[in-house]
Amino acid sequence: GDSVTQMEGPVTLSEEAFLTINCTYTATGYPSLFWYVQYPGEGLQLLLKATKADDKGSNKGFEATYRKETTSFHLEKGSVQVSDSAVYFCAPRTYGNNRLAFGKGNQVVVIP
Amino acid sequence: EPEVTQTPSHQVTQMGQEVILRCVPISNHLYFYWYRQILGQKVEFLVSFYNNEISEKSEIFDDQFSVERPDGSNFTLKIRSTKLEDSAMYFCASSRPGQETQYFGPGTRLLVL
Repeated sequence: GDSVTQMEGPVTLSEEAFLTINCTYTATGYPSLFWYVQYPGEGLQLLLKATKADDKGSNKGFEATYRKETTSFHLEKGSVQVSDSAVYFCAPRTYGNNRLAFGKGNQVVVIP
Repeated sequence: EPEVTQTPSHQVTQMGQEVILRCVPISNHLYFYWYRQILGQKVEFLVSFYNNEISEKSEIFDDQFSVERPDGSNFTLKIRSTKLEDSAMYFCASSRPGQETQYFGPGTRLLVL
């Protein structure tokens, strides 16, 4: 089945720093790729998505590009804010399947 | 903006008891899902539901689990005889036909003692 590898461990960085969270996936066929975010005490919210190779998803200053050749969908933001502190989940979804295959998530802590 | 809602937000139960977790999906959505997240672990798919039947389920979704859409708005997850390892955050999600994006509720935190 589909699976995701996200980089280990929480990420702590200062406000206005550059953020990268790596995500690589294993899936049959050509999955759609999603990043979800979970703010403290809240549920999962869709952050961005990409449905085919070389597509770039973007939202709230975050971007991720669907790289079929490296099976990756790394999340980036050029200048983080304290309000970006959350847990970020990468999730592929193979066409024809219903399930999202979430990674373990990355805790991001932005300090002022 | 429409949201998926879940009740209760927290539930504490004794091992062996039955629990029912409730969800109200977004009104024009037809696909419904349950996921769970054990503390410190990844979010895991349990089941998807469409047209009044299960369309896909994971190996976690054994005979102890069942889902139901008892009326036009609610979608429930029942655990017949809870075990300690069922303690987790349970998320409901829904999606529209032809749309891949799944919209999640805030979750129900279940604690089995």
